[in-house]
Formats: sequence, C-alpha cells, structure tokens
Amino acid sequence: EILLTQSPGTLSLSPGERATLSCRASQSVSNNYLAWYQQRPGQAPRLLIYGASIRATDIPDRFSGSGSGTDFTLTISRLEPEDSAVYYCQQYGSSPRTFGQGTKLEIK
Amino acid sequence: EVQLVQSGVEVKKPGESLKISCKGSGYSFSNYWIGWVRQMPGKGLEWMGIIYPGDSDTRYSPSFEGHVTISADKSITTAYLQWSSLEASDSAMYYCARLGPRYGSTWEPFDSWGQGTLVTVSS
Repeated sequence: EILLTQSPGTLSLSPGERATLSCRASQSVSNNYLAWYQQRPGQAPRLLIYGASIRATDIPDRFSGSGSGTDFTLTISRLEPEDSAVYYCQQYGSSPRTFGQGTKLEIK
Repeated sequence: EVQLVQSGVEVKKPGESLKISCKGSGYSFSNYWIGWVRQMPGKGLEWMGIIYPGDSDTRYSPSFEGHVTISADKSITTAYLQWSSLEASDSAMYYCARLGPRYGSTWEPFDSWGQGTLVTVSS
C-alpha cells in the first residue's frame, strides 16, 4: 500500500498570497496518477487536479499541480477567502487507492 | 450535468443492517465505475471500493472487504453500500463518487461526488 504524507498539516496565509502544499508518496506513483481534492467545511470533496498536473473541469487556473514519482505539489496562487478548505492528495495508480491525511488551509 | 444524489441521514443501533443509496443522472451510468468513500468524524478520506454498474464487477479496499457490500442496479441508475451488522465504529459520513473523466477505467480519480450520507450507530 502506498502511504501519502502531506505537509504542512496546517497553513495560514493572507488573501493574494501563494500557497504551496506538498504530497510525498512512500513509493513511486504509477503513471503519475496523483489527484488533488478540495473539501470546504460541510461540503463534499471536489476534484481539482488529476494526472498530477491536469486541471479538472471548471477549476480556475490559480490552481496548479506539479511533480512526478514520489513528490507532488499543489500550488494556489492569488489566494481568495473561498480557498479556505482541507486539501487531500490521492494516488489512483495502484491498489489499494489511498489518500493523504490532508492539509488545512486557513485564509487570514 | 453529472449528478449523484444520496439517501438521507441514518441513525441505527449496533447489530442492525443498513443499505444506503446513490442515484446517478446526467451521464451513462452503466459505463462509469462508481465508488464509496468514508470520512469518520473530523478525519480524512478513505477509499472503500468501486463497482462497474454495467456488469457489477466490484473491487474492495482490503480495509473494508468482508465488512461492507457494494452493489448497483443499472436499471434505476443507483449504487448501494450496505452493512449486515453495524458497529459503532461505522459512524461516519459516506460519499459516493464517480470515477472519471475516462469511462470504463478503474485508474481514474473521483471526478463527481454525491452530497454525502451521515450514518450514526449508537445504542
């Protein structure tokens, strides 16, 4: 089973700043099948990025993904108040599929 | 528009059985894998398993196999998650979600999600 470790646990930034979230895998993620999800309080998760760097439908270009192998990054530029959420990475290249533990992003 | 609409809040006692549902619309239900994700109170997401409604091929995470059953009825475009004997530790929010954007593939993320079904198990 691939273990995904996200860092930091919590990130507190101001509107307009840039957020950098990390996801490290215990072994290489096959085909870079790595996704990022956003979960706002009281809501279901929403797919942001898949294939490590492909934005999902209707996701603004402030959100970008990068990385390969075992190290992946989600970058959110020009933070807005509605970006306050927990962000999860997930690998779907091997079984069982696994999620990271999440990074909580707070907008001051 | 892809929509997944889940059944409502459930409050059950330990040992009882339960079946929750997820109705899909706005896409070819039979041709996309659909799965279930658990979120325990204040915790992260856990991938439980998936089913292909076209032929009911089902895959489970080892952590959940034998404890839950995933099924689907393509005639009414609905997927199900069921327990034969609930435990207090089954108390959680359960989400159904579609694997996509490519149809027919299990190597996909969850691209559309239901609103969640809250299950509380307490004596």
